[in-house]
Amino acid sequence: EAQVTQNPRYLITVTGKKLTVTCSQNMNHEYMSWYRQDPGLGLRQIYYSMNVEVTDKGDVPEGYKVSRKEKRNFPLILESPSPNQTSLYFCASSWDRNTEAFFGQGTRLTVV
Amino acid sequence: KNQVEQSPQSLIILEGKNCTLQCNYTVSPFSNLRWYKQDTGRGPVSLTIMTFSENTKSNGRYTATLDADTKQSSLHITASQLSDSASYICVVSAGNNAGNMLTFGGGTRLMVKP
Repeated sequence: EAQVTQNPRYLITVTGKKLTVTCSQNMNHEYMSWYRQDPGLGLRQIYYSMNVEVTDKGDVPEGYKVSRKEKRNFPLILESPSPNQTSLYFCASSWDRNTEAFFGQGTRLTVV
Repeated sequence: KNQVEQSPQSLIILEGKNCTLQCNYTVSPFSNLRWYKQDTGRGPVSLTIMTFSENTKSNGRYTATLDADTKQSSLHITASQLSDSASYICVVSAGNNAGNMLTFGGGTRLMVKP
């Protein structure tokens, strides 16, 4: 089954404790991206990757890092999480930037 | 600045009724427009993608229209079902070379009541 898998689905952590949210897709897509979704603000892009070893900042990249060492995986790294990063995070993949995007099920992160 | 505005913000309809959701955009240059359905707490799921040359596109009971001249799109839901209760998000893709070219609307929250 074609899918984008994120882990964990739920995470509660403390300020400053490094964490990684994993994202994996099994569709051989080249384009992957991370979004956060906050009430009243809609979906905002954090980082995107157009191919292996090619990543770039989206609209709200501050406080986040990503890596794309292989095509199927695109982890999101929070080196020192802060409470304003409490949000619902989605990973998405597509063949390229112009085609249909498939979203993961989301990761609800709470930073206390 | 690229923007996508959706209306209404929320809508309540009775099961079996039709409804239409609106999307106005100011994205340039335009590449394509997408409608997504998002159930509460879950990832968005694509309903349709339309390019500049497409005026209408259907996916089951969902029909999207696009007027590139007025920069407006609508999503029409026919014979609504309880499972249609969700947020519907309009997303417009810019036709430049940047990878971060998606502009998201704030969504319309639809509730279908029995």
